[in-house]
Amino acid sequence: DVKVTQSSRYLVKRTGEKVFLECVQDMDHENMFWYRQDPGLGLRLIYFSYDVKMKEKGDIPEGYSVSREKKERFSLILESASTNQTSMYLCASSFRNRPNYGYTFGSGTRLTVV
Amino acid sequence: QQQVKQSPQSLIVQKGGISIINCAYENTAFDYFPWYQQFPGKGPALLIAIRPDVSEKKEGRFTISFNKSAKQFSLHIMDSQPGDSATYFCAALYNDMRFGAGTRLTVKP
Repeated sequence: DVKVTQSSRYLVKRTGEKVFLECVQDMDHENMFWYRQDPGLGLRLIYFSYDVKMKEKGDIPEGYSVSREKKERFSLILESASTNQTSMYLCASSFRNRPNYGYTFGSGTRLTVV
Repeated sequence: QQQVKQSPQSLIVQKGGISIINCAYENTAFDYFPWYQQFPGKGPALLIAIRPDVSEKKEGRFTISFNKSAKQFSLHIMDSQPGDSATYFCAALYNDMRFGAGTRLTVKP
């Protein structure tokens, strides 16, 4: 069964910590995305990547960075975690030339920053 | 600024009833309009999708109606079941996917 795997389901971190969220997909997708999900705001795009070592800012990149060293892995980094980054983080992937196949999402990481 | 506006925020329907969720968009460059279904503790999963050259698409009890001139599209769930209780997101794709705010659907037995 094809899937997107996020390394942690739940994470609690302290303010100021550097946080790494990992995402791995096994579908040979070129595109990978990081969203955050908040009630009433839906899914908001943080960063995305169309290829290895390539990244693009989404709508809310402030306070985040990303790394894509391998095609299957896309990491989201919170440089200095703050309480307003408490949220559900969702990773997704898709084919570059077949976007109409939709995105495949991971199960999410619920991050709490205290 | 939300590029895709979704309503209602929550919806309660009796078993066997019709659930209707509406979305509107501004960017005419969007060329693919999917709906995603999300159960608690899970990521969103693709439910059904439509291209703008089609006015309606039906898959089982789920139907998308698309009005290109009004820049609106909607999801209809016929004969709604308790197992349909979930959060539904509409979305629109051009270079990347833009999502609505979500609708929490509760189907009462």
